[in-house]
Amino acid sequence: GAVVSQHPSRVICKSGTSVKIECRSLDFQATTMFWYRQFPKKSLMLMATSNEGSKATYEQGVEKDKFLINHASLTLSTLTVTSAHPEDSSFYICSARDPSSNQPQHFGDGTRLSIL
Amino acid sequence: KNEVEQSPQNLTAQEGEFITINCSYSVGISALHWLQQHPGGGIVSLFMLSSGKKKHGRLIATINIQEKHSSLHITASHPRDSAVYICALIQGAQKLVFGQGTRLTINP
Repeated sequence: GAVVSQHPSRVICKSGTSVKIECRSLDFQATTMFWYRQFPKKSLMLMATSNEGSKATYEQGVEKDKFLINHASLTLSTLTVTSAHPEDSSFYICSARDPSSNQPQHFGDGTRLSIL
Repeated sequence: KNEVEQSPQNLTAQEGEFITINCSYSVGISALHWLQQHPGGGIVSLFMLSSGKKKHGRLIATINIQEKHSSLHITASHPRDSAVYICALIQGAQKLVFGQGTRLTINP
């Protein structure tokens, strides 16, 4: 079946560092990918919709310059948390839609980001 | 008021019990998704429903579009079923609106 791979699964880094998270669709082409953030014991919050070959669409309240999204190919989207601070610590998860599948989205395993 | 409400928020049961998780919503949808989030964070798709009922193994999902309500049932529950179960509304082609999740714990 379709698989979405997210890397890394866990990152611990110092404040001020920029962190890149990758989301890959392994056996299908994903024209659209989604990035979510999840706080402890809370539901997923959509951050942005990543469209291959065009600018991402950000949800209200999400800083575009803070969370840079690049979707340069049909199988890869990246989320870069720039100049990360402790308040950016969270669980980030991506999903991708396979146009040929009857499921709306396939999810990655998530990245747990901890900023010291 | 949230567009989608799940109940209960937390559920603890003994192994073997029949489990029901409910999802009510207030907006029009094209379909509804039941997801399972493991303790490590990964999310698995269980069902996508637009009408009626679906069954997969010990899991059963039902939806009543007129009443804007869906249920997820687990028969003969097992400790490995312990997870967070999330219902998500599908609006339009792609966007998902998530419920707050139900944390299920099955004790041996």
